[in-house]
Formats: sequence, C-alpha cells, structure tokens
Amino acid sequence: AQSVAQPEDQVNVAEGNPLTVKCTYSVSGNPYLFWYVQYPNRGLQFLLKYITGDNLVKGSYGFEAEFNKSQTSFHLKKPSALVSDSALYFCAVKDYGNNRLAFGKGNQVVVIP
Amino acid sequence: NAGVTQTPKFRILKIGQSMTLQCAQDMNHNYMYWYRQDPGMGLKLIYYSVGAGITDKGEVPNGYNVSRSTTEDFPLRLELAAPSQTSVYFCASSYSGNEQYFGPGTRLTVT
Repeated sequence: AQSVAQPEDQVNVAEGNPLTVKCTYSVSGNPYLFWYVQYPNRGLQFLLKYITGDNLVKGSYGFEAEFNKSQTSFHLKKPSALVSDSALYFCAVKDYGNNRLAFGKGNQVVVIP
Repeated sequence: NAGVTQTPKFRILKIGQSMTLQCAQDMNHNYMYWYRQDPGMGLKLIYYSVGAGITDKGEVPNGYNVSRSTTEDFPLRLELAAPSQTSVYFCASSYSGNEQYFGPGTRLTVT
C-alpha cells in the first residue's frame, strides 16, 4: 500500500522567512513523489516531482523539495516566503507501475505580512 | 489549450436525484481521474481510466459510475444522490500516469 503523511495541519511563516512543509511517505518499491498547491476555490496545480536522479528537485514559483530515502521524506521548501504563497499544499506518492496517486490530507500555509 | 474543463461549477441536488458531472481534456492524455475533496480529508480517488474503454474503481466508488468512450471525455454519474456525496469533485488527466493536471472542480450539495 502507498500512503503519505503531512503531520502539520497549518504552517505559519512570516513573509521573507524560509518556508518548509513536511511530508513523509510509505511505498513498497521506489517512490514517485509530487507536490501540488491549491488556491481557494481552484483545482490543484502541479509544483514539482521526484522520479529519479538528483535528490534536490526544483519546481515552479521558486519551490524546491528534497528526497531523503533513509527518512522516507520529501519536504517542500522555499527560501523566502511571499504572502501570495498562502495556500493549501498537498504531497502525493505512487509506487513505480501504479497508476494511482495517494494524496496527503494537505497543509494550510499562511504567510504573514 | 483549455486543459481540463469541468461542468457545472456548482449544483444543488435533492436526495435521490441523479446527475452527471462532465469532464473533458484537450491534451490527448490517456489517463483520467475523478476525485472528491472533503475538508481536512485530502483527495479520495473515485474512479480512474487508463484509456478509452477502460475504467477502474478507486478508493470510494460506491454511489458513482463512469464511462470513457473517447480519449477526451470522462463523465461521472451519480445515480441516487445522498447527503454523504456533498463534496467538491475534481477531474484530472495525465499523459504518463505521473503528474496530473486538474480541472477547476464542481461543488455539489445534496439536501
């Protein structure tokens, strides 16, 4: 079975400070990992993915994520948060060969001006 | 490209009524998915399809049906609406089965 845990319900950060959103995963094989962002009353938007290769993955809007196999984690990071980064963030995982993603419950990020 | 489109945006149903949520994509993606999103619960997969004529159940298929007669369209049918089906429904598509591209959603209320 594949699953994702996003342990924090809400992350509050001051504008200009670093932002981290945590994600740990569980799969039986090699993981394919994804981050999505959802703004109010909108669908999810793809941010970045890890399939293979470099453990540090760069994505849209200045976000990056680091794959850590030993800790089974894929935390999302941004060096300097903007108020416009306030949104709901979802981590997702799938096993190689699986057609279905397992999503976490989401983290609300609030960037305080 | 319009991407993934969904209609309607909002709908209120009475218990026992039926409706079809429409989803279309113009990216020639083989993979299509239906999810429901409930507050604090993330996304739950209802049904998915890996190509025209092929559909399969997800985590929460009860009360729903789908068909995939063309690559572009993937409608979701609710036969006998129940209050438990009040939710926001998202359709998504994917080229490779990896990253998915989502529509804007349909907000459904069953009363």
